[in-house]
Amino acid sequence: EIVLTQSPDFQSVTPKEKVTITCRASQSIGTSLHWYQQKPDQSPKLLINYASQSISGVPSRFSGSGSGTDFTLTINSLEAEDAAVYYCHQSITLPWTFGQGTKVEIK
Amino acid sequence: EVHLVESGGGLVQPGGSLRLSCVVSGFTFSDSTMNWVRQAPGKGLEWVSYISSSSGTIYYTDSVKGRFTVSRDNAKNSLYLQMNNLRAEDTAIYYCAKSDGYSFFDYWGQGTLVTVSS
Repeated sequence: EIVLTQSPDFQSVTPKEKVTITCRASQSIGTSLHWYQQKPDQSPKLLINYASQSISGVPSRFSGSGSGTDFTLTINSLEAEDAAVYYCHQSITLPWTFGQGTKVEIK
Repeated sequence: EVHLVESGGGLVQPGGSLRLSCVVSGFTFSDSTMNWVRQAPGKGLEWVSYISSSSGTIYYTDSVKGRFTVSRDNAKNSLYLQMNNLRAEDTAIYYCAKSDGYSFFDYWGQGTLVTVSS
C-alpha cells in the first residue's frame, strides 16, 4: 500500500497569506496525485488532478506541482472561504489511498 | 447539474447488515465508473470499493473483502453497497463518488452515516 504523508497537519494562516501543503508518497507515483478540499460538514471537492491540472470552477489561487514522490498544493492569497481540510490522493496503485489531511484555519 | 444522493445509513449492531444506495443525475451513469469512499468520525478519507461502468471490474479495500458487495443498476442510475457482518470500525460516513476511470474522484455525494454499535 502506498502511504501518503502530508505536512503540516495543521496551519493557522492570515488572509492574503500564501499557503503551502506538501504530500510525500512512500514510492514513486508519477503524477497520479490529486488534491481535494473538504469544508466542515461538506463532502470533499476536487481541486487539482494529476498533480498540477486545474479544475474548471476552482479559483486560480489554487495550484499544484510535483512528480514522483513529492507534491505541493499552493494557495496564493488565502481567503476566509478557504478554511478547510485538504487531502491528497494517489490513483496509481490499489488500494487508492489518501493523505491524513491538512487543516487550514484562518487567523 | 450533477447530483449524487446516498441513503440507507443508520444504526446497526455488530454483525448486522445494511444496504446503501446512491442515486445519481446530471451525467451519464451507465458510462461512469463509481466508488464508495468512507470517513470515520473526525478522521480522514478511505477508499472502499470501485465498480466499472458495466460491473465487469470490481475492487475492494482489504478490510471489507468478503463482507461488502458493490453493485449497480444502470437502468435506475443507482449504485449500491451491501454491507454484511458489520464491525465497529466500519462506523463512518459513506460517500458515493464518481471517478474518471482509475483516477480522481470528480463528483461526490453528501454521504450517509453508518453507525455500528450495540
